[in-house]
Amino acid sequence: DVKVTQSSRYLVKRTGEKVFLECVQDMDHENMFWYRQDPGLGLRLIYFSYDVKMKEKGDIPEGYSVSREKKERFSLILESASTNQTSMYLCASSLLGGEETQYFGPGTRLLVL
Amino acid sequence: DQQVKQNSPSLSVQEGRISILNCDYTNSMFDYFLWYKKYPAEGPTFLISISSIKDKNEDGRFTVFLNKSAKHLSLHIVPSQPGDSAVYFCAAELYTGNQFYFGTGTSLTVIP
Repeated sequence: DVKVTQSSRYLVKRTGEKVFLECVQDMDHENMFWYRQDPGLGLRLIYFSYDVKMKEKGDIPEGYSVSREKKERFSLILESASTNQTSMYLCASSLLGGEETQYFGPGTRLLVL
Repeated sequence: DQQVKQNSPSLSVQEGRISILNCDYTNSMFDYFLWYKKYPAEGPTFLISISSIKDKNEDGRFTVFLNKSAKHLSLHIVPSQPGDSAVYFCAAELYTGNQFYFGTGTSLTVIP
C-alpha cells in the first residue's frame, strides 16, 4: 500500500527559528513535492525534486529550501521562520513521467508565533 | 496567476442527488487532469483522472468530463452520499510532466 509520511502533524515555532519538515515515501517514487495549502489559495507548489540531489523551484520558493539526499526522503527547510509561513504543508510523491498520480502525506500544520 | 480555477468555493447537495463540481483552466499545455478529495486534517487523496485525449472517464459513482475547447472540466458524483462531504481539488499537469497546478478547492456538503 502506498505510503507518504510526514514527521509531524502539528508544529509550533517562534519567528526566526529554523524549521525542518521531513517527508518519507516507501513507493520508490522518483518525484517528490512540497506544497502549502492556504484558505482561498488552494495548493501552491514550493519545490519539487525528480531525483536525488536534484531540486526545482515551484511557484513560491522564497523563504524555503529543500534537501534530497536519499530517494525516499525530501526535507523542507524554513531558514528563518516568519508568521506568514503559518500554513498547512503537504508532501507528495509520484513516479517519473506524465500521467502519474501524486500521493500525498497527511500534512503538517505549522504555526509560527 | 491562477492557471486552474474553481469558482465555487462551496456546494450543498441533498443525499441521493447529483453533485457537479466545476473547474476551468487557462493553459493549453495541460494534458492530464485529476480530481482529489480532501478531508480536514488529512492529505488529499486521488479520486479520478482524465487524459486530454478523452472527453469522459467513469469510475463507479464518479465521472469526469473534459471539454478542451472550453478549457473546462467537471466532476459528477451520482448518487451523492454524506461521506462525499469533503473539499475537492482539481489539478492539471503540464505536458512536460512532473508539474501539477491545483485549483483553490470546492467544499462539498451532502445533506442527509
